[in-house]
Amino acid sequence: QSVLTQPPSASGTPGQRVTISCSGSSSNIGGNYVYWYQQFPGTAPKLLIYRNNQRPSGVPDRFSGSKSGTSASLAISGLRSEDEADYYCATWDVSLRGVVFGGGTKLTVL
Amino acid sequence: QLQLQESGPGLVKPSETLSLTCTVSGGSISSTDYYWGWIRQPPGKGLEWIGNIYYSGSTHYNPSLKSRVTISVDTSKNQISLKLSSVTAADTAVYYCARHAYDGSTGYYFVFDYWGQGTLVTVSS
Repeated sequence: QSVLTQPPSASGTPGQRVTISCSGSSSNIGGNYVYWYQQFPGTAPKLLIYRNNQRPSGVPDRFSGSKSGTSASLAISGLRSEDEADYYCATWDVSLRGVVFGGGTKLTVL
Repeated sequence: QLQLQESGPGLVKPSETLSLTCTVSGGSISSTDYYWGWIRQPPGKGLEWIGNIYYSGSTHYNPSLKSRVTISVDTSKNQISLKLSSVTAADTAVYYCARHAYDGSTGYYFVFDYWGQGTLVTVSS
């Protein structure tokens, strides 16, 4: 069972806006930046969002992140078929003294 | 272009020690700006951080694995290594090497901005 809670699945049709939630506690999300990773089958994860809402160079602005209290969200607007992947949130947990991940959300583009 | 490449045995027997190496090219493992470390992913499951190391040898480990994990660095070869002792079937996973960048608030390096392709290690007799 993961320290951060994500829905196991999400879906949307092309062009729609989809959000993926990540819920934690005061010892992790509540006090630290949240990061999001995108992973396609058979490949390594890729950093998608850093410091809650910043995009690395090359990540389309269709992807956005936000954080409020002990929860964070990843939003994908203008959904495309190539966005179909697994998405993971991550942060530092001060109580566990280590990195914690969400269980991952499989995004399906219908 | 920075590249990380994992290598090591794909099959390890239960109770033995898993050993992997990560070779970094296109950049120096002696950079003062980054840690280097390991993350694993059991088949069909989520990600688990194992630990990291600075070029000086300073380490941080996942508390749940700390008693079995050793990460070391060889700056002359631009490599880091992972040893996980007393393995069981639960340690079967794809093991990724990753560069750890500074978070900017916690004082820790856990932003995984470059990853290797990963290597599958199966624990089985």
